[in-house]
Amino acid sequence: GNSVTQMEGPVTLSEEAFLTINCTYTATGYPSLFWYVQYPGEGLQLLLKATKADDKGSNKGFEATYRKETTSFHLEKGSVQVSDSAVYFCALWTSGGSNYKLTFGKGTLLTVNP
Amino acid sequence: NAGVTQTPKFQVLKTGQSMTLQCAQDMNHNSMYWYRQDPGMGLRLIYYSASEGTTDKGEVPNGYNVSRLNKREFSLRLESAAPSQTSVYFCASSVGADRETQYFGPGTRLLVL
Repeated sequence: GNSVTQMEGPVTLSEEAFLTINCTYTATGYPSLFWYVQYPGEGLQLLLKATKADDKGSNKGFEATYRKETTSFHLEKGSVQVSDSAVYFCALWTSGGSNYKLTFGKGTLLTVNP
Repeated sequence: NAGVTQTPKFQVLKTGQSMTLQCAQDMNHNSMYWYRQDPGMGLRLIYYSASEGTTDKGEVPNGYNVSRLNKREFSLRLESAAPSQTSVYFCASSVGADRETQYFGPGTRLLVL
């Protein structure tokens, strides 16, 4: 079956530090890949996505590249801010027959200190 | 546009009680979803509706029922609540069911005693 594995958190960084959150996946076919972010007390918001191999998704200074050869979609940001403190979820989307499904990783809590 | 709205925001139930969680979207989306979020588990799909008039089971459907009332509304019903259903419930919607970005509501926090 499909699965997503994210690095275990929590991750604590100082402001302006470099961020990497690792994400690897197992899937049949050609999945689309997503990063969602959940700020405290809110629902999930799409951060970025990539729909085919070698695509780079980017938004708000965050980037992730769809690497089919390593089945990875690592999230990076060059300089984090306190406002980036949130839970980050990697997810993949596959479809087949009547089975449409977003599969989520367990989430990584990021805390950025001033 | 309000996006995806959910009611209530918070609810406490006793074991065996029933309740319905409401979800509505104003984005004219065809597909809607119900997830539950538990600590360390990510989000798990309970039920989804690929289009108006259809519903299908997701990963963890036991103990739940759904109704796609119209294109805008998708409700989740707990007929006889159990402590294992204590969770945060999220509704989401997307334009279509295939590879589309999902938009999430703010969540309903449910505590079953």
